[in-house]
This record gives sequence, structure tokens and C-alpha cells, in this order.
Amino acid sequence: QVQLVQSGAEVKKPGSSVKVSCKASGGTFSSYTISWVRQAPGQGLEWMGRIIPILGIANYAQKFQGRVTITADKSTSTAYMELSSLRSEDTAVYYCAREVDSSGYYSLDYWGQGTLVTVSS
Amino acid sequence: DIQLTQSPSFLSASVGDRVTITCRASQGISSYLAWYQQKPGKAPKLLIYAASTLQSGVPSRFSGSGSGTEFTLTISSLQPEDFATYYCQQLNSYPLFTFGPGTKVDIK
Repeated sequence: QVQLVQSGAEVKKPGSSVKVSCKASGGTFSSYTISWVRQAPGQGLEWMGRIIPILGIANYAQKFQGRVTITADKSTSTAYMELSSLRSEDTAVYYCAREVDSSGYYSLDYWGQGTLVTVSS
Repeated sequence: DIQLTQSPSFLSASVGDRVTITCRASQGISSYLAWYQQKPGKAPKLLIYAASTLQSGVPSRFSGSGSGTEFTLTISSLQPEDFATYYCQQLNSYPLFTFGPGTKVDIK
């Protein structure tokens, strides 16, 4: 059974950076793709980007290009999402999720528990 | 960029009702669509992928249909545990994905 366990809540100042981790267990991490999705309070889901750990390739939503960096450490089965130049609008719950490919049809089948990032002066 | 809209944004229904939620894409996405259910304070849960394939373990009262630009999620007989927010997600523009704005299903 795949499990994704994320790091704990963070409080950050505007202009700073935050790095959220997502540790996977079950399955073979290097064969995963991990996506990151965020949800601002009372708002919908927003896809941020992904990492393919075995290739070390990351893709980012245009909105976050230049501000987000997604990485993975195969040795610890952990993915990371770092968001810089934080502003109050970045206050949200950040989720990691495993991306699965079913004969060319993708979906996010396992999710982490979420990490609340609060940006406040 | 492919945009998704969902209708209605909010619906009020009773236990036992048949509920249909529509997701429309700004351009054709074949069957590259997934549906998720999210309850307050919880991570989303995958219900359907490839527009109509039920994820393992999801009750058969959930079904999905459509292709191209119009898709529907149907709950054949609403149960108390189905009150939640539902999101569609397009996966046609791989490697970039987008979610719809969500539909909240509330108790009448």
C-alpha cells in the first residue's frame, strides 16, 4: 500500500521560502511521478507541477514558473517542493500526490495528508 | 491553456437522489479526464479516470461519461457520505494538468 507522508505545518514571512517534503513508502519510488497540488483556504485545487524521480525531470505550471522548484531524493524516497518569494496569497494547504499512468490515462491515485503553509508578517 | 468549467457550482440534494455534475473543457481533451471527491479537511480522493473508469474500491453508484469537451459525473443514489466537493481534472495537456473549480454537494 502506497503512503505519502508530508512534513508539518509552516509559518513563513513574506518574501521568504518554504520547502515541503513528501516521503513515500510502499511501491517503488523511483518508478513514481509525484505531483504537487495546493488549495488556498475555501478555494479549489491548483496543480503546481511534478517530478519524475527516476529521470530527475520536473514540469511546472506556468503560474509558478521561476518561483517553484520540485526535486526528489531517490535514496530516501522523498520528494520536495520549494516555493520562494512567498506572499500572503501563497497561504494554502500543499498536497503531494502520486501520478499513475493507466495505459496512457493519468490520474492522481494516492495523496499525502497535506501541509498547511501560512504566510504572514 | 485548457480551461475547465463545472456546473453547477453548488447543489443541494437529498439522500437517495440522482445527482449529475457536468465538466466542460475549453477544447477537446479526448477521454483524459479524472474526477475527485474531497471532504472538508481531507485530501482529495480519486473516483474516476479516463472519463469513465471507476477507481478500485469506489462504489458503483458513481459513474462517469463523456469525451471531447463535455463530461458528467453521476451519483445514482446519493448516500450521506457523498456530501462533499467534486473536482474534475484534465490530463490531456500532459505534462501540464488543470483542475475544474469544483462542485459542492450539500444536504437539502
